[in-house]
Amino acid sequence: SQQGEEDPQALSIQEGENATMNCSYKTSINNLQWYRQNSGRGLVHLILIRSNEREKHSGRLRVTLDTSKKSSSLLITASRAADTASYFCATDEGGRGGSEKLVFGKGTKLTVNP
Amino acid sequence: DTGVSQNPRHKITKRGQNVTFRCDPISEHNRLYWYRQTLGQGPEFLTYFQNEAQLEKSRLLSDRFSAERPKGSFSTLEIQRTEQGDSAMYLCASSTRDRSEKLFFGSGTQLSVL
Repeated sequence: SQQGEEDPQALSIQEGENATMNCSYKTSINNLQWYRQNSGRGLVHLILIRSNEREKHSGRLRVTLDTSKKSSSLLITASRAADTASYFCATDEGGRGGSEKLVFGKGTKLTVNP
Repeated sequence: DTGVSQNPRHKITKRGQNVTFRCDPISEHNRLYWYRQTLGQGPEFLTYFQNEAQLEKSRLLSDRFSAERPKGSFSTLEIQRTEQGDSAMYLCASSTRDRSEKLFFGSGTQLSVL
């Protein structure tokens, strides 16, 4: 089963614009992560936010977490054509430590047009 | 850090045949994971090793699937009597004990069952 659900499923923007993707999940978590996947390749870890954090930044990435709403958002600022990829949120299953089992959403496919 | 390596990158087989995939994790990583991903979906957890011990298996892992990590280094995933529904990308990931939340993924093995 997939816990995280991203929204929108697909997003197309122009280079330089900001891209916002949302993720909702169902159960309590210890942390939430975002991964990126280029077509036909493996996933690359972008950022991790813990359940006691509300916002985190890494370069052009900004992640927020609202545990009361069981939701997270990923903002990519000043997008570039190279940001074109699928983005997935992933959650653990709360009671356990570490990521013995990460549960991924279906992803948002981002296209950044030059 | 040479990254997680998976072989082969592509495998085409006929229904009913057995296939085996190999994963070489990052050398100092003691945790190894197998995921399966179908088109338009996020990765689904299959199984997890800590060193040579297989600690967790998904219900998705039917009796036709077996995974091993005999010396706590590389791992193999075997599918016996393949079915068309087994067609997917099989992803391997590894992590360290201390940074277990962050997974490093290989590029995957794309399996096509004809």
